[in-house]
Amino acid sequence: SQELEQSPQSLIVQEGKNLTINCTSSKTLYGLYWYKQKYGEGLIFLMMLQKGGEEKSHEKITAKLDEKKQQSSLHITASQPSHAGIYLCGADTGAGSYQLTFGKGTKLSVIP
Amino acid sequence: EAGVAQSPRYKIIEKRQSVAFWCNPISGHATLYWYQQILGQGPKLLIQFQNNGVVDDSQLPKDRFSAERLKGVDSTLKIQPAKLEDSAVYLCASSVGSRYNEQFFGPGTRLTVL
Repeated sequence: SQELEQSPQSLIVQEGKNLTINCTSSKTLYGLYWYKQKYGEGLIFLMMLQKGGEEKSHEKITAKLDEKKQQSSLHITASQPSHAGIYLCGADTGAGSYQLTFGKGTKLSVIP
Repeated sequence: EAGVAQSPRYKIIEKRQSVAFWCNPISGHATLYWYQQILGQGPKLLIQFQNNGVVDDSQLPKDRFSAERLKGVDSTLKIQPAKLEDSAVYLCASSVGSRYNEQFFGPGTRLTVL
């Protein structure tokens, strides 16, 4: 079965600083999804990557999928308190049933 | 467009009691998922429906958990009897059911088993 490892597990940054979260898969990624979760709430979709080398940006968040399609990174530029939360990567298992396997998440705290 | 609705938002029960959760997906979404998220972990898929048929329930503890999706719309997830280790957030998600389309999540139900 596919496993996703996220690093770091938690991150505390000063407002305005840049940061990067990584997601490494044990198998080839057919589709990699990034979600954000506020404590006690549901997941909010951020971005989806499917092609090796692909890069997508939304506001101050950029996600990349490496050429070999086994690792993705999420980069936040000039972090703000509103970026705080848990970031989860989810991978399409490739089984044809459109299921996602999730990593354990990275908890981000932004200090004003 | 209305999002995925779930109820209740919170539930506290004692072990060995029964509990049921309800989910109303986004209109027109054929695929519905139930996930269990234990504190500090990522969501784990329990069961996936395509319309009103089960696609995958391999990780559903069938001795105590059951789920149904009548008429291919709303779904209920039941636990009977509950154990302490069932304390978690239960998330419902829906999608159009094709590759590279995101899953939309509801706010979840936080279950505490005492």
